[in-house]
Amino acid sequence: KQEVTQIPAALSVPEGENLVLNCSFTDSAIYNLQWFRQDPGKGLTSLLLIQSSQREQTSGRLNASLDKSSGRSTLYIAASQPGDSATYLCAVLFIPGGNAGNMLTFGGGTRLMVKP
Amino acid sequence: DTGVSQNPRHKITKRGQNVTFRCDPISEHNRLYWYRQTLGQGPEFLTYFQNEAQLEKSRLLSDRFSAERPKGSFSTLEIQRTEQGDSAMYLCASSFGLVGPNYGYTFGSGTRLTVV
Repeated sequence: KQEVTQIPAALSVPEGENLVLNCSFTDSAIYNLQWFRQDPGKGLTSLLLIQSSQREQTSGRLNASLDKSSGRSTLYIAASQPGDSATYLCAVLFIPGGNAGNMLTFGGGTRLMVKP
Repeated sequence: DTGVSQNPRHKITKRGQNVTFRCDPISEHNRLYWYRQTLGQGPEFLTYFQNEAQLEKSRLLSDRFSAERPKGSFSTLEIQRTEQGDSAMYLCASSFGLVGPNYGYTFGSGTRLTVV
């Protein structure tokens, strides 16, 4: 079964720290991987999308890496701010086959709190 | 076009009633997806349309659930005879194709359903 796992489930850090969120997936046959941010009670905001042929993507203080062979992605947040507090979700678009179909498979998310 | 629009934002209904949600995707996106998210979990796939054709349905989509996308534009998700277990955030997303820099998913703000 194609699954996505995120560790840790929750993280609390003081403002200014650099931090890494982890995502692992069980099948290396993927089209792409996308990181989303979700504020409480809200929808999902796309942060970064990495195609299967890419190794990393950067946007401002965010950097996402992809290692297909090991089934891992990381989201690096530099100089964290209280406004970064949210849930971060990793989602993988597996190549059709097995039970994945054409849909995104999400991890359970990491709830991040950045304390002033 | 300001993105994916979902209505209503919130819906409270009594058990046994029927409810219908609407999603308006980004106009040039040919694919539309419905996901369900319960508290503290990542979103789970429900169903997917390419243009007006419903191509995949999750086993989560019981016979009380039906989705349509007439003319390949907006979509509706109806839940009949609602149960308390249907309480969740229902998210709609749209995309255009599978590969390329713009081929990520764009999510709406969701409809939060509470069944009392």
